[in-house]
Amino acid sequence: NAGVTQTPKFQVLKTGQSMTLQCAQDMNHNSMYWYRQDPGMGLRLIYYSASEGTTDKGEVPNGYNVSRLNKREFSLRLESAAPSQTSVYFCASSEGRMGRGLNTGELFFGEGSRLTVL
Amino acid sequence: AQSVTQLDSQVPVFEEAPVELRCNYSSSVSVYLFWYVQYPNQGLQLLLKYLSGSTLVKGINGFEAEFNKSQTSFHLRKPSVHISDTAEYFCAVSDRGSQGNLIFGKGTKLSVKP
Repeated sequence: NAGVTQTPKFQVLKTGQSMTLQCAQDMNHNSMYWYRQDPGMGLRLIYYSASEGTTDKGEVPNGYNVSRLNKREFSLRLESAAPSQTSVYFCASSEGRMGRGLNTGELFFGEGSRLTVL
Repeated sequence: AQSVTQLDSQVPVFEEAPVELRCNYSSSVSVYLFWYVQYPNQGLQLLLKYLSGSTLVKGINGFEAEFNKSQTSFHLRKPSVHISDTAEYFCAVSDRGSQGNLIFGKGTKLSVKP
């Protein structure tokens, strides 16, 4: 059981380049999330998708776009990378939204994608 | 808006000693509370959670936490730590009835020394 799979695990970009981080989950979860983790900052929510076909901004959405391709896949795109986007990016999934339906309250995380923008 | 404060960024402790990692959240509205652990170069995994009921919750690896509504705290404890507990620990909160997204604290790095 793979859980949440992110690709690539490492990427180096030059300022202005674009790239897409891919995420897939095999747990039939409804909700998916993209977080970034920076030293001393904890995890900050970039975008989330409460269910297939919907996406919403989180705390730090500027400079990013997302696509919920289907129930399994949720991608994060950097259109024009900036050094401030150097970070470790985590994809996560959950059965549903907090307080709604069958929700254990647990997020399942991928292993992370380390992005460096020069 | 909800916020989470982890009072210690780093906690060094000797093996077999007790440890407490402190967490306070800002809002007194009904909340769900979580502790996650991150081992080096890995994603986060759930240690324990408080959704309702008993205020003392037990998690994996011998950890437990107590929900204190009056003090808006959810401190994590373990009576005797092991070298393998060395990791970063994140407290997280979600407001009931809101968008429901988790708000994470900035993390506490636990270093267990022999």
